[in-house]
Amino acid sequence: DGGITQSPKYLFRKEGQNVTLSCEQNLNHDAMYWYRQDPGQGLRLIYYSQIVNDFQKGDIAEGYSVSREKKESFPLTVTSAQKNPTAFYLCASQQSSYNSPLHFGNGTRLTVT
Amino acid sequence: DQQVKQNSPSLSVQEGRISILNCDYTNSMFDYFLWYKKYPAEGPTFLISISSIKDKNEDGRFTVFLNKSAKHLSLHIVPSQPGDSAVYFCAASARGGGGYQKVTFGTGTKLQVIP
Repeated sequence: DGGITQSPKYLFRKEGQNVTLSCEQNLNHDAMYWYRQDPGQGLRLIYYSQIVNDFQKGDIAEGYSVSREKKESFPLTVTSAQKNPTAFYLCASQQSSYNSPLHFGNGTRLTVT
Repeated sequence: DQQVKQNSPSLSVQEGRISILNCDYTNSMFDYFLWYKKYPAEGPTFLISISSIKDKNEDGRFTVFLNKSAKHLSLHIVPSQPGDSAVYFCAASARGGGGYQKVTFGTGTKLQVIP
């Protein structure tokens, strides 16, 4: 059963700590994305990767870092430099062909106190 | 700079009637448009899409209409069912630098279908 798995579903951290969110896909998709959802602001793009060992900044990359060492995996690290890290984080993947939809995981709710 | 706008934060419709969700965009480079449905604490689920070379696309109870001159698209759900109650996101994409597909999302419309 193909899909995107994000873990954990809920994550709590103290301010000043880095935290890594996991995203794994078995859809054999080349492209992977990280979005952030805040109330009333829709989904905003953090980072994206079109191919292994390559990734690009999205619209709100400051305070975040990613890696893409395997096709299946695209972890996101929320660093202590991110000023407002509490949010709902969504990972997505996409076939490499143009005009194909993004497929999303079920998200990770990060709360930083 | 909100390039994709959903001006109605919420919509209530009676079961069996038509739901019409609207979306406006400003970027004339957008050439592919999508609608997603989202339940709380879950990821968005792809519903239907339309390419800019078309003005209508149907899939069962869902129809998307695109008016390029007005930079407007809408999602029609007929008939509406209680299970359709969710937040609906409009999204639009254009080919970004390096050839990847940059997808921009609206802020969402919360649909409530009343039994």
